[in-house]
Amino acid sequence: DTGVSQNPRHKITKRGQNVTFRCDPISEHNRLYWYRQTLGQGPEFLTYFQNEAQLEKSRLLSDRFSAERPKGSFSTLEIQRTEQGDSAMYLCASTFETSFAYEQYFGPGTRLTVT
Amino acid sequence: QQPVQSPQAVILREGEDAVINCSSSKALYSVHWYRQKHGEAPIFLMILLKGGEQKGHDKISASFNEKKQQSSLYLTASQLSYSGTYFCGTHLRRGSQGNLIFGKGTKLSVKP
Repeated sequence: DTGVSQNPRHKITKRGQNVTFRCDPISEHNRLYWYRQTLGQGPEFLTYFQNEAQLEKSRLLSDRFSAERPKGSFSTLEIQRTEQGDSAMYLCASTFETSFAYEQYFGPGTRLTVT
Repeated sequence: QQPVQSPQAVILREGEDAVINCSSSKALYSVHWYRQKHGEAPIFLMILLKGGEQKGHDKISASFNEKKQQSSLYLTASQLSYSGTYFCGTHLRRGSQGNLIFGKGTKLSVKP
């Protein structure tokens, strides 16, 4: 397995446009996370899935953001009516959850620039 | 709830040692350490669970003091490849739904 992949790697869009990002986790991983990272900050949690169920959403995730993981495999994150404040790196991570703490494997990220 | 990391940045010469601290105002169940190089994904280093254990591999080790709600990452005999930004991520409780709360990072630069 080649790890977590994300597409596209870079996206430039105009304010007000919709964008969609895709994340393909490591194949046997049942948990998938979305984070947002801005310059000089650590990753900020947005939402996560266990299989196809979206179990938690951060208060950071406004109504303009929606995420899906339809078959418990890949996931998409859509941002509607983008704003300049949405410019950031969007990171996806996956893990196989066990009873104890577990490492998250991050993808390379999608860098979004809203002009 | 965001953990506080210190120092914010450190510059080392190859072979020198460094300590990076991660402190929380909340009781912690686990602390995760990641390293991120510019333009790349964070890479997992290690997890420390409640219980005060210490872990390490190669010349990087970490400790977790649950009473102080603090973890420290120790880098000994630093190598050029250690350069990057180190993040701690915290879980507040066992079985928490999984999202990590990350600190702002400590930028480590190792010079030859």
